[in-house]
Amino acid sequence: QTVVTQEPSFSVSPGGTITLTCGLSSGSVSTNYYPGWYQQTPGQAPRTLFYSTNTRSSGVPDRFSGSILGNKAALTITGAQADDESDYYCVLYMGSGNWVFGGGTKLTVL
Amino acid sequence: EVRLVESGGGLVQPGGSLRLSCAASGFTFSNYWMFWVRQGPGKELTCISQISHDETTTYYADSVRGRFTISRDNTKSTLYLQMNSLRAEDTAVYYCTTDLRVSGLWGQGTLVTVSS
Repeated sequence: QTVVTQEPSFSVSPGGTITLTCGLSSGSVSTNYYPGWYQQTPGQAPRTLFYSTNTRSSGVPDRFSGSILGNKAALTITGAQADDESDYYCVLYMGSGNWVFGGGTKLTVL
Repeated sequence: EVRLVESGGGLVQPGGSLRLSCAASGFTFSNYWMFWVRQGPGKELTCISQISHDETTTYYADSVRGRFTISRDNTKSTLYLQMNSLRAEDTAVYYCTTDLRVSGLWGQGTLVTVSS
């Protein structure tokens, strides 16, 4: 079974730029996988940041961007803020109704 | 206001049943595929079921196929998940979402605990 890979943790300084990635244990991610990105803080439901690679969900600041970088989907945060400290999950569509989430990245802003 | 509100979670014994509901408002529910996604105690997210806008197509994860049934009532803008033969490993927060391909609305979740 194909695994969706994410960095387990990442840290960034306030004001810094960071790119989180979402890959496959076998193969390359493309727009055909409809990559989605979600932000989750403790005790809250996931909040959609992007769907279908780079379609920004309503209310998401433009310092967040979604893209394909190389063979992975990517979430870039430019000018990180303290309240960006969250867990970030990606999801990929494998076909035949099969959606697989990554294990999440815990982002620390310090 | 555009929102999804889940209900029906609770504590149930192994082998028991529960029916979750997800009430939609603020958008045309009947236009969207709908999903159930659960988040286990280890925080892993799993898409367990989907249903097409017209109920003609459904998908299930292997872990729930044959035990869970997804359905919807477009006249009531409500999504359902009938869960039978529940197991300890079904313990999770259950979220309903709109189609992950084209939108990103999530409910607040409802907690299901399977324990004796």
